[in-house]
Amino acid sequence: DGGITQSPKYLFRKEGQNVTLSCEQNLNHDAMYWYRQDPGQGLRLIYYSQIVNDFQKGDIAEGYSVSREKKESFPLTVTSAQKNPTAFYLCASSAPGREQYFGPGTRLTVT
Amino acid sequence: QKEVEQDPGPLSVPEGAIVSLNCTYSNSAFQYFMWYRQYSRKGPELLMYTYSSGNKEDGRFTAQVDKSSKYISLFIRDSQPSDSATYLCAIPQGLTGGGNKLTFGTGTQLKVEL
Repeated sequence: DGGITQSPKYLFRKEGQNVTLSCEQNLNHDAMYWYRQDPGQGLRLIYYSQIVNDFQKGDIAEGYSVSREKKESFPLTVTSAQKNPTAFYLCASSAPGREQYFGPGTRLTVT
Repeated sequence: QKEVEQDPGPLSVPEGAIVSLNCTYSNSAFQYFMWYRQYSRKGPELLMYTYSSGNKEDGRFTAQVDKSSKYISLFIRDSQPSDSATYLCAIPQGLTGGGNKLTFGTGTQLKVEL
């Protein structure tokens, strides 16, 4: 079964703690992306990676970090510097120049 | 002005109705347009994409682009309760180093009632 998996589905953390969201794909896609979705604001790009060991900031990268050590994996760390971390986080992947496919998302709640 | 604007709804229609969902965009250079469907608490799934102007049909769904007005539409014929979801328009934009990022509208929440 090809696709994108994200874990966990729900995540709760206390303010001041870093948290890492997992994203794995077995579609053999080179590019991977992280988006954040807030009510009434659509999806916004946090980070993206076109190839292994390379990644670029998106529109709202402050307070987040990523790594891309393997083609299949693109974990996102939400750091304590992120001022409003509670959101629905979506990972996507694509082949070059092709449409993006999304994972099921992780809902992060920070209190 | 936002690059992509979409009425958030909610939009409620009876089963069997024709639904019209719309977005406007600001940059006349945009050429590809996409529609994603997102069920509650799930990731978006690609419904359709179109290039430049004109219509594209896929089953009960028709995507339409009017570049002169910078207006894109998604029509759903014979709407079903299973069509109840949020529909997002998206426009791909080039990224440094290649590839595209998607600029999304806010999404329109649709409910099809029995």
